[in-house]
Amino acid sequence: DVKVTQSSRYLVKRTGEKVFLECVQDMDHENMFWYRQDPGLGLRLIYFSYDVKMKEKGDIPEGYSVSREKKERFSLILESASTNQTSMYLCASSSADMNTEAFFGQGTRLTVV
Amino acid sequence: AQKVTQAQTEISVVEKEDVTLDCVYETRDTTYYLFWYKQPPSGELVFLIRRNSFDEQNEISGRYSWNFQKSTSSFNFTITASQVVDSAVYFCALSGSARQLTFGSGTQLTVLP
Repeated sequence: DVKVTQSSRYLVKRTGEKVFLECVQDMDHENMFWYRQDPGLGLRLIYFSYDVKMKEKGDIPEGYSVSREKKERFSLILESASTNQTSMYLCASSSADMNTEAFFGQGTRLTVV
Repeated sequence: AQKVTQAQTEISVVEKEDVTLDCVYETRDTTYYLFWYKQPPSGELVFLIRRNSFDEQNEISGRYSWNFQKSTSSFNFTITASQVVDSAVYFCALSGSARQLTFGSGTQLTVLP
């Protein structure tokens, strides 16, 4: 059974903290994505990666960074968490040629207080 | 840049009615892929369909059908004889040559008994 696993289902962090959200996939996919989902705004792409050590900005990269040191792992980093980063974060992976759908993790509900 | 627009924020229908969810996209690519996902109240994203830009045939799967028209840059989704279990948020998405996977803002469908 194919899987995208996010390290935490729920997180509560304080303003100013450095936050790491981890995502691991077991499908040998080249592409990995980080989205945030907010009511009425859909899934907005933060960053994506199409190869190890490669990263591309999505539509809302401000306040975030990413790391992809291994093919199966894609980390989202909030350098200094702020309350407006409270959201649901979704990780996804897909093959390079998109000949299948993207697979999603279960999501991490992050609350910044 | 690519874009997906789902102009219908919320739709409410009575069970057994047919309903069409609209999706309009923008891309400069000649090769691209379009997707529909369903997000039920439980939160997980469920893949429904993938269509590439060279295949304009309409698709039918049970009560679901999809109408892809390149001339109008639209990929609409129709549910025939809707059921309460169809209540969910539905997302349309686009992936092109840059491998970025862009989602629309989603349509909340409520099917009333």
